[in-house]
Amino acid sequence: DSGVTQTPKHLITATGQRVTLRCSPRSGDLSVYWYQQSLDQGLQFLIQYYNGEERAKGNILERFSAQQFPDLHSELNLSSLELGDSALYFCASSVAPVMNTEAFFGQGTRLTVV
Amino acid sequence: DAKTTQPPSMDCAEGRAANLPCNHSTISGNEYVYWYRQIHSQGPQYIIHGLKNNETNEMASLIITEDRKSSTLILPHATLRDTAVYYCIVRVELKVRANNLFFGTGTRLTVIP
Repeated sequence: DSGVTQTPKHLITATGQRVTLRCSPRSGDLSVYWYQQSLDQGLQFLIQYYNGEERAKGNILERFSAQQFPDLHSELNLSSLELGDSALYFCASSVAPVMNTEAFFGQGTRLTVV
Repeated sequence: DAKTTQPPSMDCAEGRAANLPCNHSTISGNEYVYWYRQIHSQGPQYIIHGLKNNETNEMASLIITEDRKSSTLILPHATLRDTAVYYCIVRVELKVRANNLFFGTGTRLTVIP
């Protein structure tokens, strides 16, 4: 158990819909990172928040957004969903604003868009 | 971050040492080598990292060549639970905006009974 909690574990939704994925970081970790893993793309970095502020952006679509709340949990919002958005979405956390030494990953949310 | 090259797949007999190679010929002097693994759709798990000296922890050993252009992750006594995709990543530690890990395609290690 990494200490990073993601909910829900599985999500099935229709094209055009909007969903919210939730991540609770390890106790004491201030940074949260979101990754997308689809079959043909591998693990892709989406976005990072540190202590409530956006820190870095990766390959995140404009239809996607995220935020980190005062209690440090984070939510990834995916809207106008397309079939190609079906993937595993991982959240990771670390103490520092940079992912040095060790990052802890959650077990992921499997999103299926039908 | 420097690019890494890993074999797409490897097999290893249970109980034997698994040696996973990684080439990073364009690595810079201040870039670290990290290894993570991902067991069947679970979240990636940190294994070990190093700069230029060999490193060992309870999970594995990391051997980095003197020119730092390649490294080998060693699992000394592979078990079936070590079957996973292993990712070799090189990045600058504590670089202000290098805030994430770039995962390549990794090596799929299959431990055979």
